[in-house]
Amino acid sequence: EPEVTQTPSHQVTQMGQEVILRCVPISNHLYFYWYRQILGQKVEFLVSFYNNEISEKSEIFDDQFSVERPDGSNFTLKIRSTKLEDSAMYFCASSEGLTGGEYEQYFGPGTRLTVT
Amino acid sequence: RKEVEQDPGPFNVPEGATVAFNCTYSNSASQSFFWYRQDCRKEPKLLMSVYSSGNEDGRFTAQLNRASQYISLLIRDSKLSDSATYLCVVPNQAGTALIFGKGTTLSVSS
Repeated sequence: EPEVTQTPSHQVTQMGQEVILRCVPISNHLYFYWYRQILGQKVEFLVSFYNNEISEKSEIFDDQFSVERPDGSNFTLKIRSTKLEDSAMYFCASSEGLTGGEYEQYFGPGTRLTVT
Repeated sequence: RKEVEQDPGPFNVPEGATVAFNCTYSNSASQSFFWYRQDCRKEPKLLMSVYSSGNEDGRFTAQLNRASQYISLLIRDSKLSDSATYLCVVPNQAGTALIFGKGTTLSVSS
């Protein structure tokens, strides 16, 4: 069964450093997403991406964040200068079509980011 | 009304019990709804999709009441393996993002 994969599973970084989180969406999916979940809190939407551009972003997704699809398979989330409050689990997801149109999103196993 | 609101839980039930979770949503234009299951420190996994009045899959039944903007998930004959957090999820108006509830924790004991 196709699945979304993410690397690394755990990333520890120092405050102010840049990190890149990587995702390989399901191969025939066209829409890609990043979500985050701070420990003990709900899953929060960060950004959605379609046709090589951002289609929606939340208030959390400020100038410190960027996304890219550098090749035909990878989808990355970059945090330029990490803060302590960026510590969270980051989930990548993908879907065949827009979720409001009866397409479901499938999530990767997540990258746990710890900023010290 | 919050975008997606769920029963706070936790629900502690014995094996074999029937348990129901409730969820209300604020966007009256929403056309699709989802229940995801999340195990501790794992990713959300799709449990059920609801596009019309309801959906049934084995021991799991989801019902939708559009007039009340209310979704429920019923689990019959609970198993130990059903212990998890159940997330009520609704797409945003554009269908470009999922909005998650805080989740309801279920603990099934023998």
